[in-house]
Amino acid sequence: NAGVTQTPKFQVLKTGQSMTLQCAQDMNHEYMSWYRQDPGMGLRLIHYSVGAGITDQGEVPNGYNVSRSTTEDFPLRLLSAAPSQTSVYFCASSYSRPGGRATDTQYFGPGTRLTVL
Amino acid sequence: DAKTTQPPSMDCAEGRAANLPCNHSTISGNEYVYWYRQIHSQGPQYIIHGLKNNETNEMASLIITEDRKSSTLILPHATLRDTAVYYCIVRVTGTYKYIFGTGTRLKVLA
Repeated sequence: NAGVTQTPKFQVLKTGQSMTLQCAQDMNHEYMSWYRQDPGMGLRLIHYSVGAGITDQGEVPNGYNVSRSTTEDFPLRLLSAAPSQTSVYFCASSYSRPGGRATDTQYFGPGTRLTVL
Repeated sequence: DAKTTQPPSMDCAEGRAANLPCNHSTISGNEYVYWYRQIHSQGPQYIIHGLKNNETNEMASLIITEDRKSSTLILPHATLRDTAVYYCIVRVTGTYKYIFGTGTRLKVLA
């Protein structure tokens, strides 16, 4: 298993550009989520999905869109990049949705480092 | 919202036990407590989780108080490679969200 993969590893955008961060997992996990991590800060939840076709907002959803057309993929779209979106983005997945069970353990990808000029 | 509180930083001598505390006073009765760590800027790595009883695995031990309002992660023999930010997280009650705080930055000293 490759686990959770993210592409690209690094990206530089200009203000106003759009792009899609890719996330894929090959573990048949039901739950997937996107976090951002700003320098010196903890992780903040952007969006999450509890299964194909079902997504919801996290703590900081503004400026981002997600979709979940397949179990494996959960892309994050930046609609019009802003310097405030400069961050490291992590995708995570778990076998089951958060519900107080042992199978909620999340597996994280290596991250995408995004700079918006 | 379920919330965890951790000290921002701790030091530990190499070879000694590192005890990292976490308060989760609003935790619900059936919610697990999870611990992750993040080394440098890598993706967070799962360490251990527990519900009521103390747990141990090859990486660490987890002690949960009887009232479940706090827990302690124990790294029994800390090494320099254990230097990382350690996060204690619980599910936000009634949602499918896990909220990470800012964690504890553990520095293991030679």
